[in-house]
Amino acid sequence: NAGVTQTPKFRVLKTGQSMTLLCAQDMNHEYMYWYRQDPGMGLRLIHYSVGEGTTAKGEVPDGYNVSRLKKQNFLLGLESAAPSQTSVYFCASSYSPYGYTFGSGTRLTVV
Amino acid sequence: AQSVTQLDSQVPVFEEAPVELRCNYSSSVSVYLFWYVQYPNQGLQLLLKYLSGSTLVKGINGFEAEFNKSQTSFHLRKPSVHISDTAEYFCAVSDPKNTGFQKLVFGTGTRLLVSP
Repeated sequence: NAGVTQTPKFRVLKTGQSMTLLCAQDMNHEYMYWYRQDPGMGLRLIHYSVGEGTTAKGEVPDGYNVSRLKKQNFLLGLESAAPSQTSVYFCASSYSPYGYTFGSGTRLTVV
Repeated sequence: AQSVTQLDSQVPVFEEAPVELRCNYSSSVSVYLFWYVQYPNQGLQLLLKYLSGSTLVKGINGFEAEFNKSQTSFHLRKPSVHISDTAEYFCAVSDPKNTGFQKLVFGTGTRLLVSP
C-alpha cells in the first residue's frame, strides 16, 4: 500500500548536469502531476498528465521535460540543471474530485 | 483564473489554545475546496475537503473548516491545538466542471507554530 513513491529523496547536482526524478503510483490513478515547492511561493505546477502517453505544461514548465510511458509512472527530467531549479519537488496523483495523493518529495540542490 | 489567498504566513499559538487559519478564494463559480497539511520533511496530506452539502466540514486530527460562499472563505479551525499540530497548512481550490482532470490551485501556505 505504497501510494505515491518518489525517487530519489535527495540529490545534489552541479550546474549543467542532467537528472531524472521518478514518480510511481499504485492506485491506478489516471492523472499525475509534478509540483515544485519554494519558500513563500507555495506549490507551483510544472507539468501534468491526464493519462498514459499524454503530458501538458503547467505554470512553470521551462527547463523541465516529462514523460508518461506507463500509467503508473511519471518522470520529470532536468536536461541542464540551473541553481534556480533548487527546490523540493512533489509528485501527486488524483482520482477526481477527491483531491491529490502526494509523494514524500525530492529535495534537489543545484550548485 | 482561480486563486487562493492565505492571509497569514505564520501563526504562533500556545498549546491547548484555539486556532483559525484563514483562506479566501477568488471565483465567481462553484468550487471544490481542500486543506492539506505538511509536517516537517514530509509530503502533503489531505486534512479535509468541501465538495458540496453541509458547509461545515470535519477532517482528521480534530480540524474543521467552514465554507462561506458569500465571503468566498474556507477558514480552518481547531478548538485546542497540540504541539504535534506544528506544520504548514495549505488551502487549495479546484473547478467542479473539470469532471475528470482536476487542477488544484494552492495558496502560499500558513506555518502553524505551537509552543508549550
